[in-house]
Amino acid sequence: GDSVTQTEGLVTLTEGLPVMLNCTYQTAYSTFLFWYVQHLNEAPKLLLKSSTDNKRTEHQGFHATLHKSSSSFHLQKSSAQLSDSALYYCALSEGSALGRLHFGAGTQLIVIP
Amino acid sequence: DAGVTQTPRHEVAEKGQTIILKCEPVSGHNDLFWYRQTKIQGLELLSYFRSKSLMEDGGAFKDRFKAEMLNSSFSTLKIQPTEPKDSAVYLCASRRGNTLYFGAGTRLSVL
Repeated sequence: GDSVTQTEGLVTLTEGLPVMLNCTYQTAYSTFLFWYVQHLNEAPKLLLKSSTDNKRTEHQGFHATLHKSSSSFHLQKSSAQLSDSALYYCALSEGSALGRLHFGAGTQLIVIP
Repeated sequence: DAGVTQTPRHEVAEKGQTIILKCEPVSGHNDLFWYRQTKIQGLELLSYFRSKSLMEDGGAFKDRFKAEMLNSSFSTLKIQPTEPKDSAVYLCASRRGNTLYFGAGTRLSVL
């Protein structure tokens, strides 16, 4: 069945360094990938989404490129800020953009001064 | 626009009790999801409704967890009987297009 893997449970970075959070997936159907971000004591909210192979999508300084050849949708940012500290979830929509969502286990990003 | 509203924000239950969590989706959204959030498992799908019809009932969660959507603007999640392992944050989300809008969640502690 469909699944999403986030290999890092916790990433700790110094402010100003680049961010890369890994996301790989398995699916037999059409591919819609998402990143959701959850700050402490807040609800998760959409950060990025994509269904187009090899096209970079950007929002709020973060970017990700869907690579169907490697089944990946890694989240990146050139320079981490303290306010980026949050829980990040990668998700896959099964079958279509309106299908059942499969979430990864999440990666906790902590940015330190 | 009002977002997804969940009540209560916190719930404490004794083992064996029945608890009911409530969710009001964003007006006009057709899809509604219930998730359980833990640090170890992340987000686990409990139930999924489309236009008030139950599309998925969460497999392993079926025996003690029951979600209902009484009308397009209100849903409940009943856990009966509660067990200590049910301690988690329960998130409700509604969907417009391909974007989920989450509520702030209910933190459940089962003693």
